[in-house]
Amino acid sequence: AQRVTQPEKLLSVFKGAPVELKCNYSYSGSPELFWYVQYSRQRLQLLLRHISRESIKGFTADLNKGETSFHLKKPFAQEEDSAMYYCALKGDTGANSKLTFGKGITLSVRP
Amino acid sequence: KAGVTQTPRYLIKTRGQQVTLSCSPISGHRSVSWYQQTPGQGLQFLFEYFSETQRNKGNFPGRFSGRQFSNSRSEMNVSTLELGDSALYLCASSLRGETAFFGQGTRLTVV
Repeated sequence: AQRVTQPEKLLSVFKGAPVELKCNYSYSGSPELFWYVQYSRQRLQLLLRHISRESIKGFTADLNKGETSFHLKKPFAQEEDSAMYYCALKGDTGANSKLTFGKGITLSVRP
Repeated sequence: KAGVTQTPRYLIKTRGQQVTLSCSPISGHRSVSWYQQTPGQGLQFLFEYFSETQRNKGNFPGRFSGRQFSNSRSEMNVSTLELGDSALYLCASSLRGETAFFGQGTRLTVV
């Protein structure tokens, strides 16, 4: 079975501070990892996926297979980053190819 | 390109009734997935359809069912509604099951 754990429910930082949203996963095969974001009153949308290895809105995430982690980082938080963030995993075979989400974390960036 | 469209946006039903939710995917997308979002459980996978066939199913009772039509539009049905079925139901589409694009959701309230 696949599982995604986001250990914190809320992270509150000041503008300009670094941000790290933690995500750990459990999966025996080769997973694909994603971060999704939901801004207030907007739909859930993809922020980034590990295979793209790109930086979106200043956010990056590196897949660490040894630690089974996919933490989301940004060096300098902006107020517009305030949102709900979900880490998600997609398995590589059959019944595991569904998207499994963590419980999400609320990021609040204060001015 | 139009996004994923879900109708209706809001529904109020009585316990014991049944309900049908609709999802129109992005044009050209053949995969449609459904999720239930609640404050306590977060986002939980219901099922995925690809080219009119159910490709994957989550751990929900048989009261939850779905189907996909030849134009890739999908419907989800919940029979014998219970209070605990109150949730935001999200639909997501993708070309073949990779990156998911989400709709705004249908807010179902069971009274």
